[in-house]
Amino acid sequence: EAGVAQSPRYKIIEKRQSVAFWCNPISGHATLYWYQQILGQGPKLLIQFQNNGVVDDSQLPKDRFSAERLKGVDSTLKIQPAKLEDSAVYLCASSPLGLAGAAKYFGPGTRLTVT
Amino acid sequence: GENVEQHPSTLSVQEGDSAVIKCTYSDSASNYFPWYKQELGKRPQLIIDIRSNVGEKKDQRIAVTLNKTAKHFSLHITETQPEDSAVYFCAASQDTDKLIFGTGTRLQVFP
Repeated sequence: EAGVAQSPRYKIIEKRQSVAFWCNPISGHATLYWYQQILGQGPKLLIQFQNNGVVDDSQLPKDRFSAERLKGVDSTLKIQPAKLEDSAVYLCASSPLGLAGAAKYFGPGTRLTVT
Repeated sequence: GENVEQHPSTLSVQEGDSAVIKCTYSDSASNYFPWYKQELGKRPQLIIDIRSNVGEKKDQRIAVTLNKTAKHFSLHITETQPEDSAVYFCAASQDTDKLIFGTGTRLQVFP
C-alpha cells in the first residue's frame, strides 16, 4: 500500500515570500490533516479535512495560512506571506473513516526554512 | 482542550536495558492513545496504540499501559537495541478526532 506523499521535501524562502505544499493521502482515506512540527516539539494540528470539508481549523493562522482539499483527495497548504517563525516541518497525515480512523499515517513532511 | 505532558525529555539507556516513557493527559473524554517513533529527518511512525477499554497492550518488546483514573499512560521498551534510538511521541485523542501530541522523548540506546 502506498503511503502519504508530500512535495516538495525541502523549501527555502525569504520572509514575506509565499510557498505552497502538496499532499496526496493514502487511497481511500477520507480524513486528511496538516500538522506543523517545529524543531524539538511535537506535531501541532493546523487543519483537518473530512473529504473536502473542513472539520477543524482552529489553530490555523488564517491571516497567512490557507488550505484546500478539492475533490476530497489531494490537498495544498499555502503560506503567504511567510514569517521566520514559520520555519518548521509540515506534515500531512491521513486516516480512514470509522474507528480505524483513530490511527493517523504521516507523510515524509516538507521542511520549510524561512530566512 | 486536551493537553498532553510527556517525561522525560531525554533518556539514555544501555543496550539490553528497559526504557519507560510516561505521559499524562487532561481530557477525561480522550479514549485513544498512540505512540509514534520518529527517527532523525523521518516521518512519525505509529508503533503501538491503546484504547481506553483496555489497560495494557503488548507487541513483542513494546508495551503500553493505561491508567484512566490517573489519566496517564506509559510506553515500555524491553531489551533495548541501538536501533530503538529515536524521538518518541505520545498522543491522545477522542475517537477519531485530532491527535494532541506530547513534547517528545529523545531515547538514546548505547551499545
